Amino acid sequence: GEDVEQSLFLSVREGDSSVINCTYTDSSSTYLYWYKQEPGAGLQLLTYIFSNMDMKQDQRLTVLLNKKDKHLSLRIADTQTGDSAIYFCAETSPRGNTPLVFGKGTRLSVIA
Amino acid sequence: NAGVTQTPKFQVLKTGQSMTLQCAQDMNHEYMSWYRQDPGMGLRLIHYSVGAGITDQGEVPNGYNVSRSTTEDFPLRLLSAAPSQTSVYFCASSYGLNREQFFGPGTRLTVL
Repeated sequence: GEDVEQSLFLSVREGDSSVINCTYTDSSSTYLYWYKQEPGAGLQLLTYIFSNMDMKQDQRLTVLLNKKDKHLSLRIADTQTGDSAIYFCAETSPRGNTPLVFGKGTRLSVIA
Repeated sequence: NAGVTQTPKFQVLKTGQSMTLQCAQDMNHEYMSWYRQDPGMGLRLIHYSVGAGITDQGEVPNGYNVSRSTTEDFPLRLLSAAPSQTSVYFCASSYGLNREQFFGPGTRLTVL
């Protein structure tokens, strides 16, 4: 995960918005992904954005992509306790011939 | 579809023992991968396969072997377990090397 950087922890109050940030290295990445991992479970795809897009909205989720700064963010509106999980950012491999490269994950804690 | 399945869910080994972690997928995906997840380290790629009969090393391959005799199965072998291999292991599959990966539920391995 050294190519993708994320802060490790984020704590928010229930009902507030959460913003999870990620920086990546490969400007040619075709897709950028956000995965969610709930306790004791595997990773599940939350959303993704194609590299020619700046923003993607899906219900409470908003993904923003700044290609110039290689910065990706995930905003969760009206954060609920069920959103408590680890969120991973992933980019397509800089070498193009290996699986996705994941960040270390951001642990989101939602305080009731 | 069952998706990606992994067995066992939990395993305790003694140092020096060998074992095989099983992974199977029923989505006819060509690409399969093994990751290990450790606290603060995120997901690290162990081995991956781009099709039956073809495997390659990832970031942390030492101490692990893989084979891919069928499209469906991708077992991970630990030949001589070491305490440093205590981790949670995830298998994933995808229809494209840099596309969305579908994860199994994980195997939690403890080596004493």
